[in-house]
Amino acid sequence: EIVLTQSPGTLSLSPGERATLSCRASQSVRTSYLAWYQQKPGQAPRLLIYGASSRATGIPDRFSGSGSGTDFTLTISRLEPEDFAMYYCQQYGSSPYTFGQGTKLEIK
Amino acid sequence: EVQLVESGGGLVQPGGSLRLSCAASGFTFTSYSMNWVRQAPGKGLEWVSYISGSNSTIYYADSVKGRFTISRDNAKNFVYLQMNSLRAEDTAVYYCAKGDHDGRGAFDIWGQGTMVTVSS
Repeated sequence: EIVLTQSPGTLSLSPGERATLSCRASQSVRTSYLAWYQQKPGQAPRLLIYGASSRATGIPDRFSGSGSGTDFTLTISRLEPEDFAMYYCQQYGSSPYTFGQGTKLEIK
Repeated sequence: EVQLVESGGGLVQPGGSLRLSCAASGFTFTSYSMNWVRQAPGKGLEWVSYISGSNSTIYYADSVKGRFTISRDNAKNFVYLQMNSLRAEDTAVYYCAKGDHDGRGAFDIWGQGTMVTVSS
């Protein structure tokens, strides 16, 4: 099983700042089958990034993903008020399709 | 509009059974894999099970293997999760999620979730 470790656990920033979220895998993620999701309280998750760096339909270009192998990053270039939420990475290259424990992005 | 709607959640005693359903609409159902993902209260996301578009490939998380069964009816555009021998630790919101293609795919569409509570 591939274990995904996200850091930091909580990130406190202000609107307009840049956010950098990390996801590290315990072994190489096959063909960069790595996704990022955003979840707000009481809502289902929403796909942001797939294939490590491709934005999903309708996702603003302030969201970007990078990385390969075991180290991946989600960057939000300029935080908007609606971006404060939980973020999860997920690998879907090999079963079981594991999620990271999440990073909470909160307003400073 | 692409949509997934789950149903079938509720309160069940430990050791009991429950069948969740997920109705899909707005896309060619057989062309996409489907998944179940759960989230215990106040916790993170846990992938539960996967089924390919043709029913030919099925995967389970170790935590549910031997107790849960995923299936799909491609004629009716439904995916199901039969849950047996339920435990308190199965208490969670269960989401149905569509893969972005058949085979390995990110989960691009999610339902609103259905709550399962296992308690005496």
